[in-house]
Amino acid sequence: AQSVAQPEDQVNVAEGNPLTVKCTYSVSGNPYLFWYVQYPNRGLQFLLKYITGDNLVKGSYGFEAEFNKSQTSFHLKKPSALVSDSALYFCAVRDRSSYKLIFGSGTRLLVRP
Amino acid sequence: ETGVTQSPTHLIKTRGQQVTLRCSSQSGHNTVSWYQQALGQGPQFIFQYYREEENGRGNFPPRFSGLQFPNYSSELNVNALELDDSALYLCASSLTSGNTGELFFGEGSRLTVL
Repeated sequence: AQSVAQPEDQVNVAEGNPLTVKCTYSVSGNPYLFWYVQYPNRGLQFLLKYITGDNLVKGSYGFEAEFNKSQTSFHLKKPSALVSDSALYFCAVRDRSSYKLIFGSGTRLLVRP
Repeated sequence: ETGVTQSPTHLIKTRGQQVTLRCSSQSGHNTVSWYQQALGQGPQFIFQYYREEENGRGNFPPRFSGLQFPNYSSELNVNALELDDSALYLCASSLTSGNTGELFFGEGSRLTVL
């Protein structure tokens, strides 16, 4: 069965420090990979996607993600965290033969001043 | 560019009732999909509409149904509401069905079933 795992319910980091939010997936073939962010009482906002090519993908607000095919991972990273980055982050995958996104359970990022 | 808009933003229903949620897709987008996000969980795919036809469905019972109109707006209808239907319902639009691009989400309709 296709699935996405975000092993950390919450990640805490100090402002200015690097952050990593982990994501692993179980999807056959070469899926499309996405990260979305959700602020309180808001919908999901797209951050970045991996389709093919370079394993390091750059996205919005200084975020980037590293695709690792052998480890089936797509970790979200940022070199220097901001307090305003505090939000709920979702990893999602889509099988190339399908149209639906499969989301992880989300990771809450808390950046302390 | 007009984003995805959903209405109502909040509503309360009782078990057994029916509800209709509405979505206007982003300008130029012809595909609409609906997701259910229960509290503390990631969104779950309900179904997708393209050119007024349902062209994909997740693991939801038939009492979840939808429509897409010629202007690409959409409705989600849920009959015989159950307590477990309480969730945030998200509408998302995209340019074409099955493309590689991202989905653009609305801010959701929060449904509470008592």
